[in-house]
Amino acid sequence: DSGVTQTPKHLITATGQRVTLRCSPRSGDLSVYWYQQSLDQGLQFLIHYYNGEERAKGNILERFSAQQFPDLHSELNLSSLELGDSALYFCASSSGPLNEAQYFGPGTRLLVL
Amino acid sequence: KNEVEQSPQNLTAQEGEFITINCSYSVGISALHWLQQHPGGGIVSLFMLSSGKKKHGRLIATINIQEKHSSLHITASHPRDSAVYICAVRSGYSGGGADGLTFGKGTHLIIQP
Repeated sequence: DSGVTQTPKHLITATGQRVTLRCSPRSGDLSVYWYQQSLDQGLQFLIHYYNGEERAKGNILERFSAQQFPDLHSELNLSSLELGDSALYFCASSSGPLNEAQYFGPGTRLLVL
Repeated sequence: KNEVEQSPQNLTAQEGEFITINCSYSVGISALHWLQQHPGGGIVSLFMLSSGKKKHGRLIATINIQEKHSSLHITASHPRDSAVYICAVRSGYSGGGADGLTFGKGTHLIIQP
């Protein structure tokens, strides 16, 4: 158990819909990273928040957005969902903003029908 | 953008064998991570290293910064080591998309009893 929690574990929805994925980092960790794992693209970095501030963006679509709240939990919002958004979404947390070990949550499996 | 190549893609070995998985990257990095992903999907961080060698139990990770190459070794392999092993790198510069990890495609390891 990494100490990182993600909800929900599974999500099935329809094209065009909007969903919110939630991540709670390990106690004391200030950084939250979001990653997407799909069959064709593998694991990809989406976005990084540190202590409530957006720090870096990766391959995140404009239809996707995220935020980190004062209690340090983070939410990833996916809107206008397409079939190709079906993937595993992981968050990971670390203590600082740079080269610290990252601890991964169990992931949310999203299926868009 | 950093390119991360892993070899082999697939590896089947007998219990007790010494296992080596290789990772090469194209651009200077600040850190390299080895991750383990089990069939259920969960990701476990095994090592983070920026130089030299680290050991944890039967696992050993080495990195050669000059050659842009890292290896993960498993001694006395066991069927429970069967998983996907993923190499990931963090860029050597800060800002933009460099904060997140760039992942290899993974090595599928099967250890037969």
